[in-house]
Amino acid sequence: AQTVTQSQPEMSVQEAETVTLSCTYDTSESDYYLFWYKQPPSRQMILVIRQEAYKQQNATENRFSVNFQKAAKSFSLKISDSQLGDAAMYFCAYRSDSYTNAGKSTFGDGTTLTVKP
Amino acid sequence: SQTIHQWPATLVQPVGSPLSLECTVEGTSNPNLYWYRQAAGRGLQLLFYSVGIGQISSEVPQNLSASRPQDRQFILSSKKLLLSDSGFYLCAWSAIRGKSSGNTIYFGEGSWLTVV
Repeated sequence: AQTVTQSQPEMSVQEAETVTLSCTYDTSESDYYLFWYKQPPSRQMILVIRQEAYKQQNATENRFSVNFQKAAKSFSLKISDSQLGDAAMYFCAYRSDSYTNAGKSTFGDGTTLTVKP
Repeated sequence: SQTIHQWPATLVQPVGSPLSLECTVEGTSNPNLYWYRQAAGRGLQLLFYSVGIGQISSEVPQNLSASRPQDRQFILSSKKLLLSDSGFYLCAWSAIRGKSSGNTIYFGEGSWLTVV
C-alpha cells in the first residue's frame, strides 16, 4: 500500500518570502500522480498543483512550484512571495494510475502554514 | 464545467439516530465517486468509493454505508450513529482513468457532523 508522509506538522513564513513544504511517499508503482491541496479555514479542499510521475519537468502554477524527485520519492511544494491568503493546511496526495485501484488517493496528515505580516 | 455539491453543510444528530449525507456531480458522466472523513487536524481517510451505479467498495469497516442510486449521486448513510462518527465528511469525484482531466480528485464543500 502507498503511504504519504508530511514531516512538518507546522510551518511559518514571513509575508513576501518563500517557504518549502516537504512530502515523501512510498510506492512500488511506476505510473502515478502527485498533488498538493490547500485547505483554508473554510475546509474546502482546493487543488494547488498536480504532477504526473512520467513527466520529468517540475510543475508550476504561478507562485507555486514543486520539486519532484522520483528516485527519492520526494515531492516538495515551494510557495514564492507568500501572501496572507496562503495561510492554510496543505495536504500532499498520491494517486495511483492503476485500474485496479480505481484512482484512489492517499493523503498525508497535512502541514499547517502560517503567514506572518 | 463540472461542479460537485454535498449537503447538508452542518448536522447535529443524537447517538442512535440515522444519517444521510448526499452528494451530486454535474457536468460529467460516469465519474468515480468517493467519501472521505477528516478527523480534526488530520488528513483524509477514504471511506467508500464507487466506479459505477450500484458498485460500492468499502475501505474501512465501520458504522456507515454508501449507495449510488444514480450515475452522479452518492449517498453516505448510517442506521444508528455513534459518537465516534463525528467529523468532517467530504465527497469527491474524479474522471475515469485516462480522461483528459488528469486524474485529479475534486472535492465538495464538506459536511460537519456532530453526534451528541
